[in-house]
Amino acid sequence: SQQGEEDPQALSIQEGENATMNCSYKTSINNLQWYRQNSGRGLVHLILIRSNEREKHSGRLRVTLDTSKKSSSLLITASRAADTASYFCATGGKAAGNKLTFGGGTRVLVKP
Amino acid sequence: GAGVSQTPSNKVTEKGKYVELRCDPISGHTALYWYRQSLGQGPEFLIYFQGTGAADDSGLPNDRFFAVRPEGSVSTLKIQRTERGDSAVYLCASSLRPSGTSGGAQETQYFGPGTRLLVL
Repeated sequence: SQQGEEDPQALSIQEGENATMNCSYKTSINNLQWYRQNSGRGLVHLILIRSNEREKHSGRLRVTLDTSKKSSSLLITASRAADTASYFCATGGKAAGNKLTFGGGTRVLVKP
Repeated sequence: GAGVSQTPSNKVTEKGKYVELRCDPISGHTALYWYRQSLGQGPEFLIYFQGTGAADDSGLPNDRFFAVRPEGSVSTLKIQRTERGDSAVYLCASSLRPSGTSGGAQETQYFGPGTRLLVL
């Protein structure tokens, strides 16, 4: 199974609502990154949280990291139709070498 | 500034043919990564370059796949004797510093738009 696994696999919400997705991983990490992908093409970097950080904010995004539970969450507040995309968590760490290990993603649909 | 660019955007080829996919990283980024993404799945690591050398090629599926970065900037992923199972989006990423060093923002990997490869 993959290092990072997102939950839920798919999420459908109304515009204005909050969207929360979770990521679990297995090995020790240096950081965890969240990416957004539209239409199966390039990934857009959203936020990086280091292993010694617990929470980070960027605009309408809030990321938490619990290294004791090996899990992270991404919260999108006041969602917009333009937030419709797939969201991936990716872990990077010395144990994993220099590569990012991605989960299968959460597909988010924001209905206007 | 310019982001990571990849060419071609789309490539259709026949089974058994040879293909080259190009990646132009962000200027000054020392680390370059190749990933492959199949439909409905997350990207999977193929190979990582630090400068001109392949520091980790553990993700290459077999010896039909090879990548180079001769001058430490542009990289080319080469696939010989393509098979239908090679069909996927091939993504390239670069970072200022290699991931897995300090865990900080300089390790952020920035991705290109990808090359969609279809092997008929």
